[in-house]
Amino acid sequence: AQSVTQLDSQVPVFEEAPVELRCNYSSSVSVYLFWYVQYPNQGLQLLLKYLSGSTLVKGINGFEAEFNKSQTSFHLRKPSVHISDTAEYFCAVSGGTSYDKVIFGPGTSLSVIP
Amino acid sequence: NAGVTQTPKFQVLKTGQSMTLQCAQDMNHEYMSWYRQDPGMGLRLIHYSVGAGITDQGEVPNGYNVSRSTTEDFPLRLLSAAPSQTSVYFCASRSEGRADTQYFGPGTRLTVL
Repeated sequence: AQSVTQLDSQVPVFEEAPVELRCNYSSSVSVYLFWYVQYPNQGLQLLLKYLSGSTLVKGINGFEAEFNKSQTSFHLRKPSVHISDTAEYFCAVSGGTSYDKVIFGPGTSLSVIP
Repeated sequence: NAGVTQTPKFQVLKTGQSMTLQCAQDMNHEYMSWYRQDPGMGLRLIHYSVGAGITDQGEVPNGYNVSRSTTEDFPLRLLSAAPSQTSVYFCASRSEGRADTQYFGPGTRLTVL
């Protein structure tokens, strides 16, 4: 079965510093990849997604992610974080052997320190 | 356009009780799904539906039932609640394709005593 790994459960970072949140997936066939964000006590909303084409995907709030097929990774980056970026971030995958299912990783809690 | 709505927002049950979590969407989406969110485990797929009358199991379906009689509604039933079902439950919908964005409801926080 398809799976998603997020290697860091918690990432503290100082305000205005860069951040990278790591995501790896397991699949031998083409998949679609997503990053969702969950602000405290809210539902999830889409940050960005990779469908095909350019491996660098830009999303909302200055986030971007790079798809690396050989390393089966889809890491999320932001060059300068703000306090308001404090949230839980989830990597997700659909397609491939999961067909219509969307499978989420365990999440990474990003804490921005003033 | 309300998007995805869930009721109730909070619920406390005793072990063995049954209840239904409601989910509705007004975007005419074919695909709907239920997830549970537990600390350190992310979102785990319980059941999903690719259209009215069609449902399938996700990663953790045991103890839950679903049905999809209309495009708009996708209720989740707990037949006999257990403490292990204490969680936050999210409903989501998307248009139809595997590449489409999922839209999430605000969640239901369920506690089973």
